[in-house]
Parts: sequence; structure tokens; C-alpha cells
Amino acid sequence: GQSLEQPSEVTAVEGAIVQINCTYQTSGFYGLSWYQQHDGGAPTFLSYNALDGLEETGRFSSFLSRSDSYGYLLLQELQMKDSASYFCAVRDPTNRLAFGKGNQVVVIP
Amino acid sequence: DVKVTQSSRYLVKRTGEKVFLECVQDMDHENMFWYRQDPGLGLRLIYFSYDVKMKEKGDIPEGYSVSREKKERFSLILESASTNQTSMYLCASSLVGAAHEQYFGPGTRLTVT
Repeated sequence: GQSLEQPSEVTAVEGAIVQINCTYQTSGFYGLSWYQQHDGGAPTFLSYNALDGLEETGRFSSFLSRSDSYGYLLLQELQMKDSASYFCAVRDPTNRLAFGKGNQVVVIP
Repeated sequence: DVKVTQSSRYLVKRTGEKVFLECVQDMDHENMFWYRQDPGLGLRLIYFSYDVKMKEKGDIPEGYSVSREKKERFSLILESASTNQTSMYLCASSLVGAAHEQYFGPGTRLTVT
């Protein structure tokens, strides 16, 4: 099975950088996805890492180390609209995602 | 734009009632998923389907069943609703080779009294 660990809440000011970590234990691993969910909204896909290294998509970057069973999401130049919950999710060989419990990011002026 | 719609945004049912939650996607996705989301527990997979009439149990299938008669539609059924099934229910879809990139509907907040 899978288990994913994410710290629970982070508060940061506009313009700052926030790193959200994710460690996982899984019996099968294809890759690590990241999702954003605003209060009352649906989760939306941000990024996916199947290989080790850094993937950059605008202000957001995601990193994976398969040997360490570890990944992170980096939010740069924080904006108020980035206040949301962020979930990591492991894709396994059965074609499903196992989600972490999420990390709430609060951006303050 | 991928669009996933769910039949109700809010639903209130009584204990013991049979409840149907409908999900429709318009992007010809093969995979469809049902999750429930509870505070502090993240998203937990109830059932998923990778093709018409195919279904696979997720992590918490007890008390639920599903139906997929058409590719675009995936229904979640609570045979006899109980108060511990009060939750936010989220439907998602993806291409067959891209389960890492799921598109979610707006969710149905179900309250069982």
C-alpha cells in the first residue's frame, strides 16, 4: 500500500517562496503528482514527476528523488491567489492515485 | 477544456435511503474515479473504472457501489446511506495512460441525517 506524509500548514507573505515536502512509502511507484485545491473548489492538476529532477512550470516547480522517496513543490513569488491546499499523490502501477492529506498554504499581504 | 460535471452540489438524505451520485465527463476519457474528501484525511479513492462496465475497488469501497454503462458517465451508489457517509464526494476522469493528471468535478456535499 501507500502512505504519504505532508506537513499541515504554512503561512507566508506575498512574494515569498514556499516549499511543500512530500515523503512516501509505496509498494509500487510510477510518479508523483501535485494538485492545488482552493477552499470550496475542486482539485486541479499542477505537475507530475516520473523521473528524478526538477520540473518547472511558471512560478511553480516540482522535484522528485526516487531513491529518497521524496518530492517537493516549490511556490515562488507567492501571490494571494496561491492560498490553497496542496496535495501530493503517488501514481501506482494499478493506474490510480493515492493522495496525501494535504498542506494548507496561507498567503498574507 | 475538460469538463466534469456532477449531478448535485449539495444533497441531504436520510439514513437508510438509496443515494445516486452522477458524474459526466465530456472529453472521452477512459478512466473515471470516485473519491470522498473529509477534513484531515485528504482524498480517498472509493472506486474507479478504466472502461465501460469495468470497475475496480479503491481503498474504501464498503457501503458503495458504482455503475458505468456509458463511457462518459460514472455513477456512485450508496445502497443504504449512513451518517458516516456524510462527506464531500468528488468525481474525476483521465486519459487511460495519464492517471496522474485527473480532472475533477465540483463535488457533491452529501449530508446524511
